[in-house]
Amino acid sequence: DMKVTQMPRYLIKRMGENVLLECGQDMSHETMYWYRQDPGLGLQLIYISYDVDSNSEGDIPKGYRVSRKKREHFSLILDSAKTNQTSVYFCASSFENTLYFGAGTRLSVL
Amino acid sequence: KTQVEQSPQSLVVRQGENCVLQCNYSVTPDNHLRWFKQDTGKGLVSLTVLVDQKDKTSNGRYSATLDKDAKHSTLHITATLLDDTATYICVVGDRGSALGRLHFGAGTQLIVIP
Repeated sequence: DMKVTQMPRYLIKRMGENVLLECGQDMSHETMYWYRQDPGLGLQLIYISYDVDSNSEGDIPKGYRVSRKKREHFSLILDSAKTNQTSVYFCASSFENTLYFGAGTRLSVL
Repeated sequence: KTQVEQSPQSLVVRQGENCVLQCNYSVTPDNHLRWFKQDTGKGLVSLTVLVDQKDKTSNGRYSATLDKDAKHSTLHITATLLDDTATYICVVGDRGSALGRLHFGAGTQLIVIP
């Protein structure tokens, strides 16, 4: 069963703390994505990764960085989190014309 | 500027009724269009993908149309069930490969009541 797994599902952090969001997929997909979803807005692309150590900025990369050291694993890092980074973060992977989404991580930055 | 507009923003229907969700976009080029279903607190699940200039797809009680000339798509849900309660998201892809960008609408929240 094809799966994208995100950890943790819920996270509360204080402003200024570092945040690590993890994403794994068991399908050996080359391309993976990090999005954030805010009320009333469509998903916004933060970063896209085409394979190991081949990452590109999306539309809203400021305040975020990513790491992809293994094909099946893609991490999103917030160095010194800000309150406006409170959001739901989705990881996805793609193969040909099919997208697979994780269940999301709900991050609150206080 | 939002390139994918969905309407209505929210919709309440009674179980068994049919409904139509609309998606208008300005994305260029428009290689393909997808409809996703997002249950509350969950990820997005693909319902269908439309590719041709004038395309139609059917997936059980879900059917969709695409008119690239009008840059318009519809998602029809027939004989709604309570489990159809979700947010339905329209996504336009500007290329046929993963190298393309996906443009997401904000979604239509559908609530099905008994």
